[in-house]
Amino acid sequence: GIQVEQSPPDLILQEGANSTLRCNFSDSVNNLQWFHQNPWGQLINLFYIPSGTKQNGRLSATTVATERYSLLYISSSQTTDSGVYFCAVRGLEAGNTGKLIFGQGTTLQVKP
Amino acid sequence: GAGVSQSPSNKVTEKGKDVELRCDPISGHTALYWYRQSLGQGLEFLIYFQGNSAPDKSGLPSDRFSAERTGGSVSTLTIQRTQQEDSAVYLCASSSRDRVGGELFFGEGSRLTVL
Repeated sequence: GIQVEQSPPDLILQEGANSTLRCNFSDSVNNLQWFHQNPWGQLINLFYIPSGTKQNGRLSATTVATERYSLLYISSSQTTDSGVYFCAVRGLEAGNTGKLIFGQGTTLQVKP
Repeated sequence: GAGVSQSPSNKVTEKGKDVELRCDPISGHTALYWYRQSLGQGLEFLIYFQGNSAPDKSGLPSDRFSAERTGGSVSTLTIQRTQQEDSAVYLCASSSRDRVGGELFFGEGSRLTVL
């Protein structure tokens, strides 16, 4: 099945800094989502981005489907950005019934 | 409803007891998914429903786990004879589309602790 790798696994930033999180995947996809899991465990949808570029406030994401990677950009980070960022994909391979496969996540800590 | 609703939010049970976890998807969403997240880990797929049928049960860890969906809406995940390794957060998600794409939305999860 499709493999998803996220990097870096851990990231510590000073408030106000910018960062880039990366997601590599091993096969063609028809769905790629970025989630933020807050300290209370809730998964918050950030982007639905199987291809192209999207922006939402201080966050933006780019997926280059032909090269099988996606990037999540966080600008002017705030302490509330802390938590775990997950990338999840749905592969196009034969037999796939539509489940999202998750990466292991990037744990972000933003210090005041 | 406005979002995916799960109950109970917390469940503490004794080893060997059966538990039922409920998921109420977003109204009109035909696809429903169950995932499990153990402490400090990523999300592990359990089962996927399209309508009332489950074309993919490949993630269910043992025959103690089962799930059903009725009326194309509410789903119940049942764990029989619970073990300590079943302790985790069980997350439900729904989507308006399945294999052809579509964004998944997650509920807040049911935290299960097996003593």
